[in-house]
Amino acid sequence: EVQLVESGGGLVQPGGSLRLSCTASGFTFSNYWMHWFRQAPGKGPVWVSRINTIGTITNYADSVEGRFTISRDNAQNTVYLLATSLRAEDTAVYYCARVFYYQRSAYPDYWGQGTPVTVSS
Amino acid sequence: IQLTQSPSSLSASVGDRVTITCRPSQAINNYLAWYQQKPGKAPKLLIFAASTLQSGVPSRFSGSGSETDFTLTISSLQPEDFATYYCQQLNSYPYTFGQGTKLDIK
Repeated sequence: EVQLVESGGGLVQPGGSLRLSCTASGFTFSNYWMHWFRQAPGKGPVWVSRINTIGTITNYADSVEGRFTISRDNAQNTVYLLATSLRAEDTAVYYCARVFYYQRSAYPDYWGQGTPVTVSS
Repeated sequence: IQLTQSPSSLSASVGDRVTITCRPSQAINNYLAWYQQKPGKAPKLLIFAASTLQSGVPSRFSGSGSETDFTLTISSLQPEDFATYYCQQLNSYPYTFGQGTKLDIK
């Protein structure tokens, strides 16, 4: 059974940092690109970042570029999102997702349960 | 690319046929997905490539359309279908979502 389990969320002050983790099981983690999404309360999901199978290609949404860093450890079946210089508008539930490619697009077929991040003083 | 879903909310009864539309601000071929989300849960992929049913999703769900006009249809609503539905474009980054359609019981 495919499972993705996020951790590392919490309450942080503006300007602070958090490292989110997403540990995978039930599939060959190193074969899949992984993405992070976030969802603010009462809003739709928003794509945040992606990383290729070996960690050499990364991309970010403009809103987090330069502040967030995605990485992965295939030996530990884990993808990370280091979030720094956090702002109130980064408050959201953060989800990792496995994606599959079909006709050049990356569709998220499995999502974690989410980890909440609250940025507040 | 902005996605406009309509309606934003919808009340319906078990057994009803419902249709949700999604209109991208520019043509996206068929690079569109539909998701179902229940409170406190992650989105669940229902449809990809505009009309392909994800494995394990009941056949009462269907998707159609291309370019700038897409629809999600539920042929006969079941109690477990009351949720919020989102479309997502996967034509170009950043992948974007619609604002959602909340489907509740009439």
